[in-house]
Amino acid sequence: DQQVKQNSPSLSVQEGRISILNCDYTNSMFDYFLWYKKYPAEGPTFLISISSIKDKNEDGRFTVFLNKSAKHLSLHIVPSQPGDSAVYFCAASLNYGQNFVFGPGTRLSVLP
Amino acid sequence: KAGVTQTPRYLIKTRGQQVTLSCSPISGHRSVSWYQQTPGQGLQFLFEYFSETQRNKGNFPGRFSGRQFSNSRSEMNVSTLELGDSALYLCASRPTTGTGGGYTFGSGTRLTVV
Repeated sequence: DQQVKQNSPSLSVQEGRISILNCDYTNSMFDYFLWYKKYPAEGPTFLISISSIKDKNEDGRFTVFLNKSAKHLSLHIVPSQPGDSAVYFCAASLNYGQNFVFGPGTRLSVLP
Repeated sequence: KAGVTQTPRYLIKTRGQQVTLSCSPISGHRSVSWYQQTPGQGLQFLFEYFSETQRNKGNFPGRFSGRQFSNSRSEMNVSTLELGDSALYLCASRPTTGTGGGYTFGSGTRLTVV
């Protein structure tokens, strides 16, 4: 039973438009969330995080939104660039940083 | 500073054999975690080590084991390999455990069991 779900295996977006990647979780005790990006043949790289005391965190083109009541978070990339094409993983943890539970990932393709 | 280093990058083993994977964390990082990545399953947590002690363990059979040395380097061992163990094994380090912050991942070891 997956505790962190990313229901869209893939997403295609035109360059310059907004990319929205979604993530749902089942454990209401999760209190810290991360997004990672992964290129082929490389390890995942940290993108952005959010703790459960916030509902939004922004870093440049990347914004993460957290809706605790819906147990849902989303990553917005604006504007999308071809270099953003990668697999994006959502991750959640209990107790602010214990081992992270990752979702299955969403493959984003940004088309020029 | 140097990143997380995993060796070897690629490995082919026969069913029934055992394998040992190595991970050198970022200098100063004392927490090392291991993840298994397979298509469609994302990253599955194997275990985390901190100061040579296993702090957390995922839901994997006892064939999967690990250890951490005093210099924070870590090894992961899989015994009696099965075809389903074919995966990308990722090591990640962070300064400490349970204090938030993200991991820094290595590039992984691609294990193929034939």
